[in-house]
Parts: sequence; C-alpha cells; structure tokens
Amino acid sequence: QVQLQEGGPGLVKPSENLSLKCSVSGDSMTSYYWTWIRQTPGKGLEWIGNIFYTGSTNYNPSLKSRVTLSLDSSKNQFFLNLSSVTAADTALYYCARGGANCGSVTCLDFDIWGRGTMISVSS
Amino acid sequence: SYELTQPPSVSVSPGQTASITCSGHKLGSNYVSWYQQKAGQSPVLVMYQDMKRPSGIPERFSGTSSGNTATLTIRETQTMDEADYYCQAWDSNTVGGFGGGTRLSVL
Repeated sequence: QVQLQEGGPGLVKPSENLSLKCSVSGDSMTSYYWTWIRQTPGKGLEWIGNIFYTGSTNYNPSLKSRVTLSLDSSKNQFFLNLSSVTAADTALYYCARGGANCGSVTCLDFDIWGRGTMISVSS
Repeated sequence: SYELTQPPSVSVSPGQTASITCSGHKLGSNYVSWYQQKAGQSPVLVMYQDMKRPSGIPERFSGTSSGNTATLTIRETQTMDEADYYCQAWDSNTVGGFGGGTRLSVL
C-alpha cells in the first residue's frame, strides 16, 4: 500500500524559506508525478506544482517565482522549497501522487495523498 | 491557476440525488477529477477523467462533462456522503486548478 508522509518545521518566520519533505513508501517514484497542494484554514485547495520522476517540473504561475520542487528517487523523497514566505503562506500542505490513471499532465488526477503538514508563518 | 467555479453548498435529503457542478473556460475540453474531503481528513479521489470511478468508490457516484460544465452526481445519497467536494482540472498550458469546493449536506 502506497503511503505519503509530509515533514516540515511547523513554524516559519516571515521572509524566511519553507522547506518540506514528502516520503514515499510502498512503491517506487518511477513513472509518477509528485505534487504539492496546500489548503488554507477553512478554505479550498491550491495546486502548487508537480515534479515528474525524471525531474521535469511545472508550477502554479502565482507561486512560480518562489517555488522549487526537487526529488531524490534513491531515497523515495521529494521536496518543496518556498522562498520569502508571508502570512498568506500559512496553510496545510499536502503531498500527493499523480499519474496512476493518466500519463500526462493534462489529465493528471491525484490518487494518493499524505495526511498533510500544517505550516504557520509568524514571527 | 485554472479558475474553476463551484456552488458553495448543496443540500439533499437522504436517498435523493445530489448534483454538484463545476464550471470553467473550455472545461469540456479538459479532463475533470473530483475529490471528497471529510472533516479533518485528506481529500479522496472519487472520479477521474470526467466519469471514471476509482476502485472502492460506490457506483452511486457518477460524473459527466460537457461544454464549460462538469457535474458530479451522487444517487441515493447517504449521511456518510456529507463532505466537501472539489473539482480539479488542467488548462491548455498545463496549469492546474481546483474549484472552491462544495459543502454537501444530507439533511
């Protein structure tokens, strides 16, 4: 059974960088897209970006200037780095898997989700 | 991100049919997925590629898409179906987006 587990600092100061890790267990990262999605308290879901197992990425244009996704397939982990955070980045951050049902970005759905990690931005 | 619009809430009586819509520019030209999120839980995929059900999702759940609107339909709605439902799709520039979510109440 494939499982995803997010890890992060919990609290980040404004203007600092946020780094999150997602650990994948139960399967290889090969052939899948790996995604970060966030949800602000009481609000909806926001797609942040995808990284394919080859390392190619696509990002939400509204966050693109501050986001970097990377992965380490040897450790079955992928990562989110979000620079210069503000209070608006306070959210529950999920990692998810895409590509089990469709092999291209234009039809990706997310069939496996982590439990999420809450990140608060505050001084 | 790709702008998708959903009604904030839908109410239905137990045993009745609930329909949740999702609209977006040229949405019918793009595959739509739907997620169910119960309170305090992670989202769960309930429909993909407009009308395909993942393993384990009841046949009561169905999906359609045409023009600028996709619809998730839940027949014989049960109290266990109470949740927030989100649509998700990609635009032609591979930018993803989620709808704002619809709170389904089964009263």
